Amino acid sequence: DTGVSQDPRHKITKRGQNVTFRCDPISEHNRLYWYRQTLGQGPEFLTYFQNEAQLEKSRLLSDRFSAERPKGSFSTLEIQRTEQGDSAMYLCASSPWGTSGRSGEQFFGPGTRLTVL
Amino acid sequence: TQLLEQSPQFLSIQEGENLTVYCNSSSVFSSLQWYRQEPGEGPVLLVTVVTGGEVKKLKRLTFQFGDARKDSSLHITAAQPGDTGLYLCAGDWSGNTPLVFGKGTRLSVIA
Repeated sequence: DTGVSQDPRHKITKRGQNVTFRCDPISEHNRLYWYRQTLGQGPEFLTYFQNEAQLEKSRLLSDRFSAERPKGSFSTLEIQRTEQGDSAMYLCASSPWGTSGRSGEQFFGPGTRLTVL
Repeated sequence: TQLLEQSPQFLSIQEGENLTVYCNSSSVFSSLQWYRQEPGEGPVLLVTVVTGGEVKKLKRLTFQFGDARKDSSLHITAAQPGDTGLYLCAGDWSGNTPLVFGKGTRLSVIA
């Protein structure tokens, strides 16, 4: 299976701890997106990359959130000093921007469920 | 802020019934995607519509894009319990912006 993968699938942490999530996109996809989804809501856009360049980060929820994609392949999302309100599903998606005429399509990973106690 | 409204928010029907869910915006879409999401999993892409008036079929699912490219509908014929899930629409307004998602329609098909 060469779909988008995320690790870990579940993370339980105590308030104030730092957490890092990893996303491995579909190999030929140049764009990678991070979303957050809370109960009863659709995914909320956080940030995205084209190759290694972070094109939009103003939607990150606070300065405690940061993301990297250092080699244009996998990406990490870090949350520092976690708060209970950070509890949510964190989704990663990738897309083949600029190829095949279907650039709007995004393919999602299974998500990382974060619980902050 | 560009909003995508989905209706109904919840829908519970008996197996074999037909249903339609809607996705609306005041803005014109460059493209619109429909996704289905099961609990604890990421959304799975069902279809992308791009052209106004476009109709696409995926087995018992029929997707329609409004002529003005501001709205879309998903019709399911003879619903089955396996259709249960959260149906999300997502819009791309300029062709170079991140997707904006609606809150979804949570469908429950009872056997």
